[in-house]
Amino acid sequence: QVQLHEAGPGLVNPSQTLSLICTVSGGSISSGSYCWSWIRQPAGKGLEWIGRICNIGSTHHNPSLKSRVTISVDTPKNQFSLRLSSLTAADTAAYYCASERVNSAILSRPSYYYYYYMDVWGKGTTVTVSS
Amino acid sequence: SYVLTQPPSVSEAPGKTASITCGGDNIGSKSVHWYRQKPGQAPGLVIYYDTDRPLGIPERFSGSNSGNTATLTISRVEAGDEADYYCQVWDSSSDHVVFGGGTKLTVL
Repeated sequence: QVQLHEAGPGLVNPSQTLSLICTVSGGSISSGSYCWSWIRQPAGKGLEWIGRICNIGSTHHNPSLKSRVTISVDTPKNQFSLRLSSLTAADTAAYYCASERVNSAILSRPSYYYYYYMDVWGKGTTVTVSS
Repeated sequence: SYVLTQPPSVSEAPGKTASITCGGDNIGSKSVHWYRQKPGQAPGLVIYYDTDRPLGIPERFSGSNSGNTATLTISRVEAGDEADYYCQVWDSSSDHVVFGGGTKLTVL
């Protein structure tokens, strides 16, 4: 079973760029038709999906964050990362990484990427944006 | 953007059946996934593709999806089922994941 672990700075200054890393263990980040996602959750609030990068080569982002988000994969290190720029206090949240998978029978459909679900989550890392 | 509507809270007595709804425009045409988040923990998958259960999720958890409502049903509710539950779909109009606002299940 794949396990995920987030790492990040904890505290970041406003207007700066947040960099988070998710380390994948128990499997290769490049195997299979997985996608690798970031999700965040402000304290006491609901989940907000940030975006994902897929082994097939596609990326998708939340339109509300798209201009500030970069997600990339480091295959040799078995890691993927999130960069979120122009931070404000509204970006203070717990940040989770997750793996997304899809039923292999669906992969032949043109719209296969509609059908991914998040099967494994990291424990999360808290990020506070404050000076 | 596609909107998923969940009741903020649901309460049920132990041993009874709890139903958590997730409303969306023609949601029956989409695949719905459900996640459970216990206090202080990360979310975890409990139902995928409307009705499928991951390994380790008891048969007490079931899902359905038709028309404008998807439902997560928890039979024989236990104290350990207290958690926040989130539904999730893919918004094909703008190609991104959408979560419902979450429902807090309280076991009385």
